[in-house]
Amino acid sequence: AQSVTQLDSQVPVFEEAPVELRCNYSSSVSVYLFWYVQYPNQGLQLLLKYLSGSTLVESINGFEAEFNKSQTSFHLRKPSVHISDTAEYFCAVSAYQAGTALIFGKGTTLSVSS
Amino acid sequence: EAEVAQSPRYKITEKSQAVAFWCDPISGHATLYWYRQILGQGPELLVQFQDESVVDDSQLPKDRFSAERLKGVDSTLKIQPAELGDSAMYLCASSLRLNTEAFFGQGTRLTVV
Repeated sequence: AQSVTQLDSQVPVFEEAPVELRCNYSSSVSVYLFWYVQYPNQGLQLLLKYLSGSTLVESINGFEAEFNKSQTSFHLRKPSVHISDTAEYFCAVSAYQAGTALIFGKGTTLSVSS
Repeated sequence: EAEVAQSPRYKITEKSQAVAFWCDPISGHATLYWYRQILGQGPELLVQFQDESVVDDSQLPKDRFSAERLKGVDSTLKIQPAELGDSAMYLCASSLRLNTEAFFGQGTRLTVV
């Protein structure tokens, strides 16, 4: 079975500061990894994904995440945040085999203030 | 852009009543998921369909919850009877096939009073 641990429940930062949201996973098999973002009373939107290939993946709005197999981590980073990045962020994992749904972490609330 | 449609967006019901949620996945997506998200928590899988077949319903409280996906397209999740602890966001998601990224609907916010 797989599990996800998001190490910070809340991360407050000032606008234009860098941010890192930490995610560790546990699995006995190879995995796919995802970051989703959720705004209040909305569904989840896919931010970025790691399926295979380059371990550094990027989103269109400046976020990036790096798959580190030895550390079983998939931390999310952004060099300069905006007020509009304030949201809940969820890390998710699925096993590299058919039939396994996404398993989510408990989420990290990113609060960006001016 | 194709989206996962869910209705209703909000539902208030009294405990012991029956309630149902509907989901229409992105066209062509064979895999459909129902997740429950309690406030302040991550989504937890209730049931997963591949076409019209249930792949995983191990976390579905089958004494009161039921889900179906007749014809392998849209899906209905039912709770009968509803309990206070069922208050949560119910999220439907679909993916092109098993094990690829899931696309989520806006969710149904259920409040049981």
